[in-house]
Amino acid sequence: GQNIDQPTEMTATEGAIVQINCTYQTSGFNGLFWYQQHAGEAPTFLSYNVLDGLEEKGRFSSFLSRSKGYSYLLLKELQMKDSASYLCAAMDSNYQLIWGAGTKLIIKP
Amino acid sequence: GAVVSQHPSRVICKSGTSVKIECRSLDFQATTMFWYRQFPKQSLMLMATSNEGSKATYEQGVEKDKFLINHASLTLSTLTVTSAHPEDSSFYICSARKIAGEAETQYFGPGTRLLVL
Repeated sequence: GQNIDQPTEMTATEGAIVQINCTYQTSGFNGLFWYQQHAGEAPTFLSYNVLDGLEEKGRFSSFLSRSKGYSYLLLKELQMKDSASYLCAAMDSNYQLIWGAGTKLIIKP
Repeated sequence: GAVVSQHPSRVICKSGTSVKIECRSLDFQATTMFWYRQFPKQSLMLMATSNEGSKATYEQGVEKDKFLINHASLTLSTLTVTSAHPEDSSFYICSARKIAGEAETQYFGPGTRLLVL
């Protein structure tokens, strides 16, 4: 079957770095997404990886290893506004997104 | 790298009006583009596959007369939500497929938030 796993909740300190991991199993693979979602709002697109390696975009970076079925989202210089849920989603061979349950990130001063 | 843009990024409209969302591939030609919709707390759902110069292919349950797709050029696909209703409020995302030799990559737009009052 198709499955996405990511931690339910993580806590980090303002100004620090946090890494949110995601493992996936899908029928075929057409890339992996990370979304940020604040409570009551629609998810905001953060990144899309389809090739192995690290992609950096400002304070956020996303890594993919297709052979391991593994991705992580790295957030640097954490700010209080980064408190949100982070959703990992893998796209299968039919271009459908398989979603993880989301990781709730709590930032403490 | 390849970039896909969407316009507008967010739109608020009255019930009964039509809304057009544009999806552009900025530095490559895309014969195929995809349109997705995401409702709050639900998965992103593929609505249709847009093919340049031909009719779009709609997923089951998606009304083709309500969600009009036009892929008139290799860099532009448009999604028009006709006679929009509050239940059409959602996050719409497009993607464009880039083919370079035997390599195929999809690039996603940032999304458009639609709120129908």
